[in-house]
Amino acid sequence: TQLLEQSPQFLSIQEGENLTVYCNSSSVFSSLQWYRQEPGEGPVLLVTVVTGGEVKKLKRLTFQFGDARKDSSLHITAAQPGDTGLYLCAGDAERGATNKLIFGTGTLLAVQP
Amino acid sequence: EAGVAQSPRYKIIEKRQSVAFWCNPISGHATLYWYQQILGQGPKLLIQFQNNGVVDDSQLPKDRFSAERLKGVDSTLKIQPAKLEDSAVYLCASSLEKLGGSEQFFGPGTRLTVL
Repeated sequence: TQLLEQSPQFLSIQEGENLTVYCNSSSVFSSLQWYRQEPGEGPVLLVTVVTGGEVKKLKRLTFQFGDARKDSSLHITAAQPGDTGLYLCAGDAERGATNKLIFGTGTLLAVQP
Repeated sequence: EAGVAQSPRYKIIEKRQSVAFWCNPISGHATLYWYQQILGQGPKLLIQFQNNGVVDDSQLPKDRFSAERLKGVDSTLKIQPAKLEDSAVYLCASSLEKLGGSEQFFGPGTRLTVL
C-alpha cells in the first residue's frame, strides 16, 4: 500500500516566519502534486513536480521533489495569514496509468497576524 | 468556466438513514472521483469513473455505499444505511482524460454529519 506521510501535522506560526512541510513515502511516484485547501472548499492545485530533484517556485512558495521521487518538501518564506489552510501532497499512484492520486495525511497551517 | 458543482453542501441525518450526494463535473472532463475526507486529514478515494465506467472502487464500502455515473456526466453517491463513522466531507473531483499527473478539480464538498 502506498502511503504519503506529511509532517508536521499541525503548524501555528506568526506572520513573517518561514516554514517547511515535508511529504515522505517509501514508494516511488512518477509525479507529485501539492494542493491547498481552505475551510469549506475543495483542494486547489498549487504545483506538479515530475523530475527527481526538481525545484519549482510559486512566489513565496518553493517546492522540491526528492532525487529518488519518494519525497517532497514545501517551503514558505515570510508566511502571511492568507497562507493559512490545509496543505496536501498527492502522488501519482500508478505511473500515470489511471490518473489516480494518493493523498498525504495533510498539514494544517495557521499563520497568525 | 464553471467549476465542479456539488449538492447539498450540508446534510445532517441519523444513523441507519439513507443519504445521497450529487456531483456535476466540469464539462468535458471524462474522469470523475469521489473522495471521503475526515476532518483535518487528506482525502481518501472512494471511487473513480472514466466516462460511465468504474476504474477503481477498491476502497468503497460496497455493503453500504454505491455510486453511479449515468451517461458519463453527473454522478450520485449514496450511503444506505449510514453509520456514525461516515461523518465526513464528501468531495467530488474531475479531470481531463490525460494520463500522468493531470490536475484534479474539486468541488466544495458535502459535509455529512451522522447523529
